[in-house]
Amino acid sequence: EAGVAQSPRYKIIEKRQSVAFWCNPISGHATLYWYQQILGQGPKLLIQFQNNGVVDDSQLPKDRFSAERLKGVDSTLKIQPAKLEDSAVYLCATQGAVVTGELFFGEGSRLTVL
Amino acid sequence: GENVEQHPSTLSVQEGDSAVIKCTYSDSASNYFPWYKQELGKGPQLIIDIRSNVGEKKDQRIAVTLNKTAKHFSLHITETQPEDSAVYFCAAKGQGAQKLVFGQGTRLTINP
Repeated sequence: EAGVAQSPRYKIIEKRQSVAFWCNPISGHATLYWYQQILGQGPKLLIQFQNNGVVDDSQLPKDRFSAERLKGVDSTLKIQPAKLEDSAVYLCATQGAVVTGELFFGEGSRLTVL
Repeated sequence: GENVEQHPSTLSVQEGDSAVIKCTYSDSASNYFPWYKQELGKGPQLIIDIRSNVGEKKDQRIAVTLNKTAKHFSLHITETQPEDSAVYFCAAKGQGAQKLVFGQGTRLTINP
């Protein structure tokens, strides 16, 4: 079974530029999450999708971050404009339709904002 | 909302010894407590989890204990091996759609 795929793995941009990250979930997984992991900290939830609907985006900085999940499969996370404090690893995780509790994480996209 | 505190932040043990990582949570309604292992350059991976209706769970060299009254839970790794070196995260989740909240992580180093 293929895992969660994310791209790009690494991205370096200057502040005020924009960036987009892509996530392809495990086939059939209805729930998709985007987490932000700042160096030395635990993952922090940004947004949760159930199929193509948003369940929780309470911690998403909506003035600069946006996310969508078209057709309930792939998802993109966009940052525009980026700030220095956005430097982090952005992790995508998915969960199957039968809720066991386990999250399956991708390898993450490491963003450096200069 | 839920708050999870994890300690120690770093832990170094000799190969073959045991390692213990502890977490506390704030929301008494939380009922699911997983532990994730994150290796360098990879995403976290579930290694063991426990629900609030049990006090202990074991899987080979790994065990987790839960004290609901004190609102804390612990990860125990016995007979540690070099491949156990990684960052470990605890997490807690309430019922329904409550989000999973992670601790700050523990960097475990196994010295040969």
